[in-house]
Amino acid sequence: DVKVTQSSRYLVKRTGEKVFLECVQDMDHENMFWYRQDPGLGLRLIYFSYDVKMKEKGDIPEGYSVSREKKERFSLILESASTNQTSMYLCASSLRRTSGLYNEQFFGPGTRLTVL
Amino acid sequence: KNQVEQSPQSLIILEGKNCTLQCNYTVSPFSNLRWYKQDTGRGPVSLTIMTFSENTKSNGRYTATLDADTKQSSLHITASQLSDSASYICVVSPYSGAGSYQLTFGKGTKLSVIP
Repeated sequence: DVKVTQSSRYLVKRTGEKVFLECVQDMDHENMFWYRQDPGLGLRLIYFSYDVKMKEKGDIPEGYSVSREKKERFSLILESASTNQTSMYLCASSLRRTSGLYNEQFFGPGTRLTVL
Repeated sequence: KNQVEQSPQSLIILEGKNCTLQCNYTVSPFSNLRWYKQDTGRGPVSLTIMTFSENTKSNGRYTATLDADTKQSSLHITASQLSDSASYICVVSPYSGAGSYQLTFGKGTKLSVIP
């Protein structure tokens, strides 16, 4: 079974702090994604990566950066946390194939981040 | 712009009853459509996947249908159980010859099954 793990389930930080959210997948997936999920807005893509050291902006990259130094690990960084970044953060991974049937994204359990 | 609209936003049903959730999309060209189940405080988990050539797909008490002509899908839950209480998210993948990385997510339907 694919397993995607996230470093914390719950996190409380103060405004201005630098925050690291870590995600690890154990199925040798090429693609990894970071989403945030807010009530009434659904999942929104922050960044994704299709290879080591590669990254692409999603729909809402402002205020975030990412790092992918190893294939299995994808980190989301909040350089200076703000209260509007309080949210549920979900990491996902998928295989890279030309057929869309193989692009199922497997999600981690999520990190609920509160910025005070 | 690719969009996925789900209805209703929320639904309350009695345990043992059936229900149907709706999903309309404008994603084109279309590759496949998935329904995910998300328990409270957890990540989404895939229930079904259908390509444009498939009309129906079942997974236990969950049956998804797809009409690619009208760009509509539904998820039917039979004999609901308390454990079906969750958000159900419709996710559509556009076709991309280079590989479909990005998905279009609906906002979900929050289902509550009460005893």
